[in-house]
Amino acid sequence: AQSVTQLGSHVSVSEGALVLLRCNYSSSVPPYLFWYVQYPNQGLQLLLKYTSAATLVKGINGFEAEFKKSETSFHLTKPSAHMSDAAEYFCAVSERSNQGGKLIFGQGTELSVKP
Amino acid sequence: NAGVTQTPKFRILKIGQSMTLQCTQDMNHNYMYWYRQDPGMGLKLIYYSVGAGITDKGEVPNGYNVSRSTTEDFPLRLELAAPSQTSVYFCASTSAGGGGQPQHFGDGTRLSIL
Repeated sequence: AQSVTQLGSHVSVSEGALVLLRCNYSSSVPPYLFWYVQYPNQGLQLLLKYTSAATLVKGINGFEAEFKKSETSFHLTKPSAHMSDAAEYFCAVSERSNQGGKLIFGQGTELSVKP
Repeated sequence: NAGVTQTPKFRILKIGQSMTLQCTQDMNHNYMYWYRQDPGMGLKLIYYSVGAGITDKGEVPNGYNVSRSTTEDFPLRLELAAPSQTSVYFCASTSAGGGGQPQHFGDGTRLSIL
């Protein structure tokens, strides 16, 4: 069965530092891939998605992610962290054969940004 | 545009009580989903629907029921509340089940069973 692994349940960076949040998926056929962000007491908001076009995907708030088939990875990066980036981030996948559009989520990574 | 609206935002139930979590969307989406979120576990799919009158189980359906009589509404029913159902519940919707369409989420219902 498809699974998603996010390495690191908590990541802490200094303001202005590089943000790197890791996500690996398990299927041999590349799925659709998503990154969502959740601010406290809110729902999930889409940051970016990979469907099958460019392997480097740009999202909102300066985030981007690179799809690497050989590594079955879809890591999320941002060159310079801002205090407002503090939130929980979820990687999710949807199998291409899945007509129900169901998402499988990783465990989440909580990002802290230190001043 | 309201998007996906969930009510109530918070609720405390006693063991054995029942309640319905409401979810409505105004985007004319055919696909709707219920997830629960527990700390360190990500989101788990409870039930989903691909259109009015059609529902199916997700990964963790036990203890829950759903119905989908209209495109807009997808209520989640807890019949006999148990402490294990203490969680944050999210409803989501999307326009199409395939093609990598993103899901749109409500703000959640925080439910405590005591």
